Amino acid sequence: QVQLQESGPGLVKPSQTLSLTCSVSGGSISSGDYYWSWIRQPPGKGLEWIGYIFYTGSTHHKASLKSRVIMSVDTSKNQFSLKLSSVTAADTAVYYCAREQVLGGFFDFWGQGTLVTVSS
Amino acid sequence: QSILTQPPSVSGAPGQRVTISCTGTSSNIGADYNVHWYQQLPGTAPKLLIYGNDNRPSGVPERFSGSRSGTSASLAITGLQAEDEANYYCQSFDSSLSGSKVFGGGTKLTVL
Repeated sequence: QVQLQESGPGLVKPSQTLSLTCSVSGGSISSGDYYWSWIRQPPGKGLEWIGYIFYTGSTHHKASLKSRVIMSVDTSKNQFSLKLSSVTAADTAVYYCAREQVLGGFFDFWGQGTLVTVSS
Repeated sequence: QSILTQPPSVSGAPGQRVTISCTGTSSNIGADYNVHWYQQLPGTAPKLLIYGNDNRPSGVPERFSGSRSGTSASLAITGLQAEDEANYYCQSFDSSLSGSKVFGGGTKLTVL
């Protein structure tokens, strides 16, 4: 059974960079069958797709966030990461990492999520 | 405002049948892109409930079913149980947004 676990600071100051890592266990991140995705959920609100990274390092992000997002993958550690720059209070959310089926376009395994608060 | 439109809330008594709609446009559901559904219990991560419009992952009860027609999709839950009380989200792909995955705004199901 694949498991994903997010890690990173729970508090980030405005204008700084949010950094999160997702550790994958129970399966290889180097499989060509999956994209490795980030999704967020502001408190009390719905889900927002941020983007994904493939094990080769190729990425695709939501257009409105693209200029602030950097994603990376470390296949040796079976981890992938998200950096979101110039954060504001609007970026306060629970951030989930998830596995997406390349052929199906759906998210079949999710991390438990980590709350990141943007505040001074 | 979400690209896919869901009713904010639905309710039903135990044992009843409820449906949750997900309305899109010609650039997502209407363009024949698949719809997927997730269940989010309070304080937990979303869980895949239905994929590819009408397929249930292993372990999901047969009480849950999905369908798609035109620019809309639906999730049906029969034999409603107290444990079904949760938020439900639909998800698809939108070709007008540089190829983005899109979610509905979510529907809160209350079991009366």
